[in-house]
Formats: sequence, C-alpha cells, structure tokens
Amino acid sequence: GAVVSQHPSRVICKSGTSVKIECRSLDFQATTMFWYRQFPKQSLMLMATSNEGSKATYEQGVEKDKFLINHASLTLSTLTVTSAHPEDSSFYICSASRRLLRGYTFGSGTRLTVV
Amino acid sequence: GQQLNQSPQSMFIQEGEDVSMNCTSSSIFNTWLWYKQDPGEGPVLLIALYKAGELTSNGRLTAQFGITRKDSFLNISASIPSDVGIYFCAGPQGAQKLVFGQGTRLTINP
Repeated sequence: GAVVSQHPSRVICKSGTSVKIECRSLDFQATTMFWYRQFPKQSLMLMATSNEGSKATYEQGVEKDKFLINHASLTLSTLTVTSAHPEDSSFYICSASRRLLRGYTFGSGTRLTVV
Repeated sequence: GQQLNQSPQSMFIQEGEDVSMNCTSSSIFNTWLWYKQDPGEGPVLLIALYKAGELTSNGRLTAQFGITRKDSFLNISASIPSDVGIYFCAGPQGAQKLVFGQGTRLTINP
C-alpha cells in the first residue's frame, strides 16, 4: 500500500511556457502532499506543503506565483511551473503520507528541462 | 530550523564490504527515517525508527536510533551492486514536514 504516482517522468519545454506536474496517491487519501526540488548531487529541498481544499504553504524563497500548487482532491496535487526559465530545470519530487511520521511515500520524480 | 548532518558524503567500496553511515543533529528528533534514492527516481523508505536506542533491520540493512536522540546510524552488510545509490536520513520538522540530510553517495566497485 501507500503508492504515489507522479507524471510525467520527464518533460522538456521552451522558455516562457508552463508545465504541469501531477502527483496522485493511488491507494490512499492524502490530505497533505509535499513538493520538493532536487538539484544534481544535492539533497531534497522542500518547496511547499499542499493541503487539500486550501492554499499551499510555501517555504521561504519559493515564489508562489511561479510555482502554482493545486490540491483539489484527496488523491491529486498538481504543481505548475509558470513562465519556465532554464534555471527552473531540476528534478521535482512529490510525497504524501497516510499516517503522520510513518514515513512519507515519494513519487518517482519529474525531470524538467527548460530550453 | 533543524538540520541534519550526514556523513560521509560519498563512499567508494568493493563489493562484499560492509558500509556504515551516520546522521547527526543539534536538536532532538523523535523519529529517524532512512531512504535510498536510485538515479532518476524518488526516495524509497528503507527503515523507520521511533524510539531512542531502537535497532531495526531490513535484510542486510540495520539502523539504530541513538540514545541521545540526536543521531542515527545505517549499516549495510556484504554490499552488492544494487546497493549503489544515494542514502538519505530524514526526520520530522514540526508537525508535517521532513528535513533531509545531505545524502551519502555509495559507489561499489565490482
């Protein structure tokens, strides 16, 4: 149990366009999901906490207007990178948990390349 | 906020050797989590620790929750090629978030 599906796994987009990444909890309901960003050879950095039915909570330094998060249902959260620039190229990972502190399940990640 | 210091940052070992890595914090954690990340994938939970002094195994992996609650160790015995990857420790920060260590990159020479 506790499977998290992330889509797409890879995406290449042109500068100035927007990209949407989906994160789904397949066999459980997740009231909270998390979005991380990971640069090469670095650790995971939390970008925002996505709460079902309410606004996301962004970490300091993360632009909420650039990284739009929508958590409209208990099984789906989306991250939209708006007006993407090459510096937005990174590995984006979502996670969700059914039970607090029992270990969050991570999606398989999305490799975004902005050209 | 809380930070986790993980060491070593990288390890280069021969197949069959044992591996040991650790994670320390300046503040107390009530839970320690160990994840492994393969290239191009999300992290996968290996072991979760919930009590000071707890020693838990998962196959060839063994992790311990330090008595002071400020550290944790992960050991891998008799390493095999599929053990290659990045290992992260993590702990809860506040009510919901997880904070991660910097990771230990494991490379195995056949």
